[in-house]
Amino acid sequence: QKEVEQNSGPLSVPEGAIASLNCTYSDRGSQSFFWYRQYSGKSPELIMSIYSNGDKEDGRFTAQLNKASQYVSLLIRDSQPSDSATYLCAVNIGGTNAGKSTFGDGTTLTVKP
Amino acid sequence: KAGVTQTPRYLIKTRGQQVTLSCSPISGHRSVSWYQQTPGQGLQFLFEYFSETQRNKGNFPGRFSGRQFSNSRSEMNVSTLELGDSALYLCASMRYTGTDTQYFGPGTRLTVL
Repeated sequence: QKEVEQNSGPLSVPEGAIASLNCTYSDRGSQSFFWYRQYSGKSPELIMSIYSNGDKEDGRFTAQLNKASQYVSLLIRDSQPSDSATYLCAVNIGGTNAGKSTFGDGTTLTVKP
Repeated sequence: KAGVTQTPRYLIKTRGQQVTLSCSPISGHRSVSWYQQTPGQGLQFLFEYFSETQRNKGNFPGRFSGRQFSNSRSEMNVSTLELGDSALYLCASMRYTGTDTQYFGPGTRLTVL
């Protein structure tokens, strides 16, 4: 079992729809959770960080964390073609290990006009 | 504030050679982490440096090494290059407060022929 697993893609949604990206992790000691967006040929760009159970909203993006279920998700509302990218879920246990993140394989999202 | 910078952006080497990559973190960030990204293995953690000391290490052979200078700039060295070392090498910096966010540089694309 991989330490961080993301729903297999690719995921395709029409423009204006909600895109739902999911991630599960195996280390119950995990404290910090991140979503990065990576365009082809570019480096990962931080979208959201979440540390507590519940929802965290930032514009069209909502991250949801459930530590009991070891599950974190990202919702993208009103999806735009510019959201087409690979989304990476990253997890770390914080503290002196905050610099060592474990990444999922990514989910490729395509938003069709 | 300037972001994370990496040099060079592209490198072509032959098997058996060695290579040194450089990373300058965001001003004020004391932690620098290195990651390798390949299509087959995804994003994998190499090591993290904090205050000139290696604080965390991933599961890579000893051919991969690094160091950090007093100004937080970091270098990564790969000796005796193999074809499988072809990858995007990413550097990420973090201020470090225990639940910090890592910000990635543009990466160095290494091709080993």
